[in-house]
Amino acid sequence: QQQVKQSPQSLIVQKGGISIINCAYENTAFDYFPWYQQFPGKGPALLIAIRPDVSEKKEGRFTISFNKSAKQFSLHIMDSQPGDSATYFCAASMEGSQGNLIFGKGTKLSVKP
Amino acid sequence: GAGVSQTPSNKVTEKGKYVELRCDPISGHTALYWYRQSLGQGPEFLIYFQGTGAADDSGLPNDRFFAVRPEGSVSTLKIQRTERGDSAVYLCASSFRANTGELFFGEGSRLTVL
Repeated sequence: QQQVKQSPQSLIVQKGGISIINCAYENTAFDYFPWYQQFPGKGPALLIAIRPDVSEKKEGRFTISFNKSAKQFSLHIMDSQPGDSATYFCAASMEGSQGNLIFGKGTKLSVKP
Repeated sequence: GAGVSQTPSNKVTEKGKYVELRCDPISGHTALYWYRQSLGQGPEFLIYFQGTGAADDSGLPNDRFFAVRPEGSVSTLKIQRTERGDSAVYLCASSFRANTGELFFGEGSRLTVL
């Protein structure tokens, strides 16, 4: 059973556009929801993270929206740039077990100039 | 300072052989994690250490997989009797303390079992 479902699998956006990636989870015990960015040949790097006590968190061009009742969260990348082209993973973990992250399958984002 | 260092970056072996993958975490990080990433998939948790002890090894797929961290710094992931299905990128990560949020990942060791 896939605990964190991510969509879309791939996404093409024009430079300056908004990229939106969605994730849904089943386990209500999850309480930490990070997004990781991965470039080819590199390890994942933390982009932004949220806990369920807030509905939105913004850091620069990156925003997480969180809907606890729907058990969904999404990443919005504003003013997308070609340098944002990478694979993005949502993840979730339970309280006291943040190192045991359950990752989604990833979204490959391509930003066209 | 230096990031998480993993060696080798690439390892090709034959089915049935024994393999060791090494991880050198960021200096001062007490928690160390191993994940496995298959092609086109997200990373999958294997095990994490707080200090020298394995705090959670629930992700190890079977008893062919074993990891150690004898001095609380460098860790080695050991795979016995490798199978073709073990082919993946093995990622190591570290954090300042366990369960404090950000994991810093290395670039991984790509294992290919022929």
